[in-house]
Amino acid sequence: AQSVTQLGSHVSVSEGALVLLRCNYSSSVPPYLFWYVQYPNQGLQLLLKYTSAATLVKGINGFEAEFKKSETSFHLTKPSAHMSDAAEYFCAVSFNFGNEKLTFGTGTRLTIIP
Amino acid sequence: ETGVTQSPTHLIKTRGQQVTLRCSSQSGHNTVSWYQQALGQGPQFIFQYYREEENGRGNFPPRFSGLQFPNYSSELNVNALELDDSALYLCASSLVGAGEETQYFGPGTRLLVL
Repeated sequence: AQSVTQLGSHVSVSEGALVLLRCNYSSSVPPYLFWYVQYPNQGLQLLLKYTSAATLVKGINGFEAEFKKSETSFHLTKPSAHMSDAAEYFCAVSFNFGNEKLTFGTGTRLTIIP
Repeated sequence: ETGVTQSPTHLIKTRGQQVTLRCSSQSGHNTVSWYQQALGQGPQFIFQYYREEENGRGNFPPRFSGLQFPNYSSELNVNALELDDSALYLCASSLVGAGEETQYFGPGTRLLVL
């Protein structure tokens, strides 16, 4: 069975500081991995995805994530936080790209301190 | 190109009632997935429809049912509502078979069961 663990349900960083949101996965087969962002009262927006190509994936809004098989991790980073980054972030895993259910983590709420 | 839309945005029902939620897929997409997101949790996969046939189901009872129409719009029906059905219901559409199968989410329908 596949699963995702997001460490830290709440993360606070100062504006301009590094953002690091942690995601570890469990999968018996090579996974497809995703990060989604959810702003208040909105649906999910795809930030980036890993589909077995490059291990360092760049996404929208300056975010990137690195797939580390040895650590079963797919942490999300951004060098400099902006106030507009305040949102809920979800890591998700899938066996098959697109034609399979997404299994989500429980989310990390990111707060940006002015 | 229009995105994924859902209706209604909010809904209040009482225990035991039935509800129908609607989703209009992104133009050109042939697959729709439904997720339930309880407060403070990540989305949970309910089921997926591909070309009008159910194509995978999560751990939800049969009172959760769905339809996908020839124009690829979709409905989620929930019978005999329970208090625990209160959640944000998200649909996501994708184009399976074209090499770009990212799931794109709608804004959700927030259901409150009293």
